[in-house]
Amino acid sequence: DVKVTQSSRYLVKRTGEKVFLECVQDMDHENMFWYRQDPGLGLRLIYFSYDVKMKEKGDIPEGYSVSREKKERFSLILESASTNQTSMYLCASSSRLAGGDEQFFGPGTRLTVL
Amino acid sequence: AQKITQTQPGMFVQEKEAVTLDCTYDTSDPSYGLFWYKQPSSGEMIFLIYQGSYDQQNATEGRYSLNFQKARKSANLVISASQLGDSAMYFCAMRAPYGNKLVFGAGTILRVKS
Repeated sequence: DVKVTQSSRYLVKRTGEKVFLECVQDMDHENMFWYRQDPGLGLRLIYFSYDVKMKEKGDIPEGYSVSREKKERFSLILESASTNQTSMYLCASSSRLAGGDEQFFGPGTRLTVL
Repeated sequence: AQKITQTQPGMFVQEKEAVTLDCTYDTSDPSYGLFWYKQPSSGEMIFLIYQGSYDQQNATEGRYSLNFQKARKSANLVISASQLGDSAMYFCAMRAPYGNKLVFGAGTILRVKS
């Protein structure tokens, strides 16, 4: 059974803290993605990666960075958390092939920054 | 830039009836893909159906079908014989022309009444 796992379902942090969100996939997918989901805005792409050590900015990269040292793992880093980063964060992966290959999502991490 | 519009923030449907969730898209690229995902209250994103821009036939997957009208740039999801378990948030998404990035709409909350 294919799987994308995220390190935490719920996380509470304080303003200014450095926050790490981890994502692991077991499908040998080349592509991995980080989204944030906010009511009325849908999912917005923060960063994505096509390969190990490779990253590209999505639509809302400000305040975030990422790391992909191994193919199966993609980390999202909030260097200095702020209250406007309170959100649901979803990780996804997909194969490199174009076409109908859907993205597989993790269960999400609901982050609250106080 | 690609854009997805879902104009129905919320909808109700009677159990066993059919329901249509609207999705319009905007892109200047001739090659694109359209996806529908379901997100129950538990938070996981579940892939439902895919339509490629060059596909001649409307996609169908069980009770789900995609009413693809290319000239009108619409990709509405039709759920037949609604069940209580269909109550969820539904997202329409479009794959960007480069890579496998997805652009999501704001979503539609569907409530199935017994």
